[in-house]
Amino acid sequence: QKEVEQDPGPLSVPEGAIVSLNCTYSNSAFQYFMWYRQYSRKGPELLMYTYSSGNKEDGRFTAQVDKSSKYISLFIRDSQPSDSATYLCAIYNFNKFYFGSGTKLNVKP
Amino acid sequence: GAVVSQHPSRVICKSGTSVKIECRSLDFQATTMFWYRQFPKKSLMLMATSNEGSKATYEQGVEKDKFLINHASLTLSTLTVTSAHPEDSSFYICSARGSVSSYNEQFFGPGTRLTVL
Repeated sequence: QKEVEQDPGPLSVPEGAIVSLNCTYSNSAFQYFMWYRQYSRKGPELLMYTYSSGNKEDGRFTAQVDKSSKYISLFIRDSQPSDSATYLCAIYNFNKFYFGSGTKLNVKP
Repeated sequence: GAVVSQHPSRVICKSGTSVKIECRSLDFQATTMFWYRQFPKKSLMLMATSNEGSKATYEQGVEKDKFLINHASLTLSTLTVTSAHPEDSSFYICSARGSVSSYNEQFFGPGTRLTVL
């Protein structure tokens, strides 16, 4: 079983929509969860990270962790065409990072 | 701050040749560097972890004699793909963690696209 699984998408939404991106993970002991954004042919950049459970908000982005169901989510409010990218969830555990396969998001103007 | 560069950004080579990819931390000291490989529409696959001055730790299934990693200084790590073959064609990305980051944080380079003919 992979450490983290991610909905592959692609996801296409109109500008202004609320976007929900999701991942599930396998080990209930995982504590550190991250979301990265990757533009085409570029390296990933860290968007947000959360520790343990709960929500974290940064502008239009909200990261949510539900440890009871081992589910992590990233919500994007008022999505913009510039948000079009691949979003990767990731988990950090014992000096290793485990990445989901990424969800490609396209926000149409 | 926390900028990581990679060179070259793109390389095309003939089968059987060796290719060296450099990863540099420009404004911080990278005590740990990670090397990943990414296939189209696939996740980042960790190849190895290198700590400055130590031998790299390779993930299961990654041939250390084929993918030579050197982390000789706090700002530079290199990945050499030896005797490259078409199946080695991929997007290689490095990341670094160091003095400016918490232990669960890493900064990625822009990646190197390798095409082996």
